[in-house]
Amino acid sequence: AQSVTQPDIHITVSEGASLELRCNYSYGATPYLFWYVQSPGQGLQLLLKYFSGDTLVQGIKGFEAEFKRSQSSFNLRKPSVHWSDAAEYFCAVGSTNTGNQFYFGTGTSLTVIP
Amino acid sequence: DADVTQTPRNRITKTGKRIMLECSQTKGHDRMYWYRQDPGLGLRLIYYSFDVKDINKGEISDGYSVSRQAQAKFSLSLESAIPNQTALYFCATSDFAASGSNEQFFGPGTRLTVL
Repeated sequence: AQSVTQPDIHITVSEGASLELRCNYSYGATPYLFWYVQSPGQGLQLLLKYFSGDTLVQGIKGFEAEFKRSQSSFNLRKPSVHWSDAAEYFCAVGSTNTGNQFYFGTGTSLTVIP
Repeated sequence: DADVTQTPRNRITKTGKRIMLECSQTKGHDRMYWYRQDPGLGLRLIYYSFDVKDINKGEISDGYSVSRQAQAKFSLSLESAIPNQTALYFCATSDFAASGSNEQFFGPGTRLTVL
């Protein structure tokens, strides 16, 4: 069965520190992988996506993520966190299969301290 | 202008009432989805529609129904609302026909409270 796991429910980092949010997936076919961000009281905004090709993808707001097939992971990183990055982050997996849906992880809540 | 709109944005209702949440999109996408979000549970799929005549149940469809009135409109109904349906509801679209991808584009959400 397809699934997405975000093992960290909540992470706290200091402003200016580096960040890595973990995402592991279970998927039978070649996955399409996504990271979304949800700011308080807002909808979900796409940060970045991986379809194929270069396994290191760049997104908006200075985020990047690396697809590692051998580890079934798609971790999100940012070298220097800003206070405005405080939000909920969701990893998701989809596919090109017309019968498949779209699966979200349970999210990681990021707190940024001054 | 928002590409995916949801109405209402907030709604408080009482147990047993029928309520409809509406979603409209101007993106021209073929697929539309309804999710609910609960703290600690992420987003769970309620129903999805691949086109006007193709509607499918998602992970948690019990207690909900949907209508795809047109390619651009997808409504979610709670026939008899109950308190555990209190949640944040999101509509989403994807452009599978053109892109071959299920990348989701989200509306702003509807916060529903059932008393």
